[in-house]
Amino acid sequence: GENVEQHPSTLSVQEGDSAVIKCTYSDSASNYFPWYKQELGKRPQLIIDIRSNVGEKKDQRIAVTLNKTAKHFSLHITETQPEDSAVYFCAASSSGGYQKVTFGTGTKLQVIP
Amino acid sequence: GAGVSQSPSNKVTEKGKDVELRCDPISGHTALYWYRQRLGQGLEFLIYFQGNSAPDKSGLPSDRFSAERTGESVSTLTIQRTQQEDSAVYLCASSLKSKGSEQYFGPGTRLTVT
Repeated sequence: GENVEQHPSTLSVQEGDSAVIKCTYSDSASNYFPWYKQELGKRPQLIIDIRSNVGEKKDQRIAVTLNKTAKHFSLHITETQPEDSAVYFCAASSSGGYQKVTFGTGTKLQVIP
Repeated sequence: GAGVSQSPSNKVTEKGKDVELRCDPISGHTALYWYRQRLGQGLEFLIYFQGNSAPDKSGLPSDRFSAERTGESVSTLTIQRTQQEDSAVYLCASSLKSKGSEQYFGPGTRLTVT
């Protein structure tokens, strides 16, 4: 089955700096890679996703890159703000008939004002 | 529209008792997932339902755990003879197959076993 590894487990940055979270996956059939943000005491929510036919996707201060050859993808947050503090989960799945999503172990991001 | 709902929001039970957790997915979502999240930890996959296919039960930690889903609607997760290590937040999520695997999570049920 799919295995997703995520690094780092914790990350502290100064407000305004950039943050990068990296994930690797094992199943070459995976073609959908979402990122979820979970604020303290709340449910995970999708913040951005990328499909395997795209190498990079941006949404304001958030971007995700995908390297299919190396089987890794990354989340980049620029100009970090205190409200970016949360746990971020990467995930991988296929969009075929079997869509089980495999999550990474999470990265706790702390943005220091 | 309405999102994924779960009930109860909180459940305190005595060790050895059975509990039943309920998930109402978004209407039309064919896929439904259950996860367990211990305090400060990640999302532990439990079970996955996809339409009328046989569920993927590979994440259920023991035979005390079981889940059912009627068609593409409500799902219940049952934990028999609860143990203290079952204390966690149980999250349900649903997704629409045609859009890949974007998941919509419910608010969770916080289970405390005393």
